[in-house]
Amino acid sequence: SQTIHQWPATLVQPVGSPLSLECTVEGTSNPNLYWYRQAAGRGLQLLFYSIGIDQISSEVPQNLSASRPQDRQFILSSKKLLLSDSGFYLCAWSVGGASSYEQYFGPGTRLTVT
Amino acid sequence: AQKVTQAQTEISVVEKEDVTLDCVYETRDTTYYLFWYKQPPSGELVFLIRRNSFDEQNEISGRYSWNFQKSTSSFNFTITASQVVDSAVYFCALSRIGNEKLTFGTGTRLTIIP
Repeated sequence: SQTIHQWPATLVQPVGSPLSLECTVEGTSNPNLYWYRQAAGRGLQLLFYSIGIDQISSEVPQNLSASRPQDRQFILSSKKLLLSDSGFYLCAWSVGGASSYEQYFGPGTRLTVT
Repeated sequence: AQKVTQAQTEISVVEKEDVTLDCVYETRDTTYYLFWYKQPPSGELVFLIRRNSFDEQNEISGRYSWNFQKSTSSFNFTITASQVVDSAVYFCALSRIGNEKLTFGTGTRLTIIP
């Protein structure tokens, strides 16, 4: 069966510090991968999605970047965090190929920028 | 452009009551997928159902049922005999067939009062 991991679970970082959140998927090959952010009490905002290694699409201009160095690894980064980067970050995967399968989500990382 | 509207921001019902969560969507596509996700207090989104626009049959899974009406662009979710464990935020989502991305509604926070 497939599993998705995210770490860390929680993170408190000062403004201006770098960020690296990691997501890995097990039990599947060539998945589509996604990063979402959920601000407190609000809906989900798609940040990045990837259909393959080094194939990443950005959905909104922002202070963040994403990389996919391996097939089942997706990393969310920032060089300098802003207060507005605080939120709940969710990684998700779906079956590879543009077939609109459901997405499966990881446990999330709660980021607080102070 | 696609849009999903969940007009009910918060709902509270007493345990064992039935509750319906509304979802209205907008799309210019003739074929699409609709989804429901549950986000319990732990934060992880749990996939509940995917429905193809070709299939307007209602679906029942235990205490959960979904009513898809293409004529009114609605995909409502009913929980019968609600339980405290049903307390969560519920998201409705829409996807074009052949597209990797989901458009989420803003969610409905459901609280079941014991």
